[in-house]
Amino acid sequence: QKEVEQNSGPLSVPEGAIASLNCTYSDRGSQSFFWYRQYSGKSPELIMFIYSNGDKEDGRFTAQLNKASQYVSLLIRDSQPSDSATYLCAVYSWGKLQFGAGTQVVVTP
Amino acid sequence: GAVVSQHPSRVICKSGTSVKIECRSLDFQATTMFWYRQFPKQSLMLMATSNEGSKATYEQGVEKDKFLINHASLTLSTLTVTSAHPEDSSFYICSARGGRDGTDTQYFGPGTRLTVL
Repeated sequence: QKEVEQNSGPLSVPEGAIASLNCTYSDRGSQSFFWYRQYSGKSPELIMFIYSNGDKEDGRFTAQLNKASQYVSLLIRDSQPSDSATYLCAVYSWGKLQFGAGTQVVVTP
Repeated sequence: GAVVSQHPSRVICKSGTSVKIECRSLDFQATTMFWYRQFPKQSLMLMATSNEGSKATYEQGVEKDKFLINHASLTLSTLTVTSAHPEDSSFYICSARGGRDGTDTQYFGPGTRLTVL
């Protein structure tokens, strides 16, 4: 079982719609959760982090954490073509950041 | 946020040569830096964890004598790929942990694309 699991996609989203990305993790003791965005050929950039159960909003992005169910999600509102990228879920576990394989998002005009 | 730089951004070298990649945290002190490798269309692979002033911790399967890591200061870590071969061609990315957003947050450098001929 992988530490962090994500659907690989691609997730096709019409421009202006909401993109919903999900991530599950195996270490129940994890306390820190991160979403990164990676454009093709570039390094990951931090979108946001979340530590507490519930929702955290930052601009068009909302991260949701449910520790009891061991999942974390990311919503992208009003999706734009520039949001087309691979989104990496990362969970701090066993002293290091465990990454999912990433979900590719394609926003279609 | 926090800024991490990497140099060089791209390097092409002949087989058998050594290549050094620098990773710097520009506006914060990073007691821990990480080195990743990413092959095309694959996920990030952690190679090693670098702590300032101590020996790096390598992930299973990563040759420590081939990938030399030095973390001499709180803002600089270097990765040297020794006797590089074509199979070492990859995208090498460092990250630094720290900054104002908390000790667990990692910020990535822009990456170094290595091509070994």
